[in-house]
Amino acid sequence: GAVVSQHPSWVICKSGTSVKIECRSLDFQATTMFWYRQFPKQSLMLMATSNEGSKATYEQGVEKDKFLINHASLTLSTLTVTSAHPEDSSFYICSAQRGVARETQYFGPGTRLLVL
Amino acid sequence: DAKTTQPNSMESNEEEPVHLPCNHSTISGTDYIHWYRQLPSQGPEYVIHGLTSNVNNRMASLAIAEDRKSSTLILHRATLRDAAVYYCILVSNFGNEKLTFGTGTRLTIIP
Repeated sequence: GAVVSQHPSWVICKSGTSVKIECRSLDFQATTMFWYRQFPKQSLMLMATSNEGSKATYEQGVEKDKFLINHASLTLSTLTVTSAHPEDSSFYICSAQRGVARETQYFGPGTRLLVL
Repeated sequence: DAKTTQPNSMESNEEEPVHLPCNHSTISGTDYIHWYRQLPSQGPEYVIHGLTSNVNNRMASLAIAEDRKSSTLILHRATLRDAAVYYCILVSNFGNEKLTFGTGTRLTIIP
């Protein structure tokens, strides 16, 4: 149990286009979902926290108008990278949490984005 | 956020036990110690967590020092599939539940 999927697993796009990444909890309801970004040879950096039905909370330095997050249901959150540029190329990973504090986070397999 | 310190890398022979240390000298009384690992080109996966007592599960054991200022993740019999970056993370019992990933320990398993 506790499986999280991401789609697509990789995407290549042209500079200036927008890319949507989906994160789904397949066998549980996720009250909270998180979005991370990981550059090569670096650790994961939290971008934002989203709760179903409310606005996402972005970490300092993350542009909320560039990285749009929608948590429309208890099993789906989406991250849209708007007007992507080559510096947005990265490994984007989501995680989902079932409920109370201290609950483990279940991570998706990640989406590799390459902006040309 | 309370900070953890881990060695950048470790090596271990296959089928031998591995002890991965983590220092967290500024841990507060309500912080849980979580361990996650990230295999190459994958998202992280949960390994184990604890508060004060040692913990065991099917993946690993977690030994927590009596003063809670350090902990050790123990893989009892390492396999090649255990090669990953291991992250030790403190999670507060209060407030938000976000994880702050450090640089972790890159574990290499030698066949």
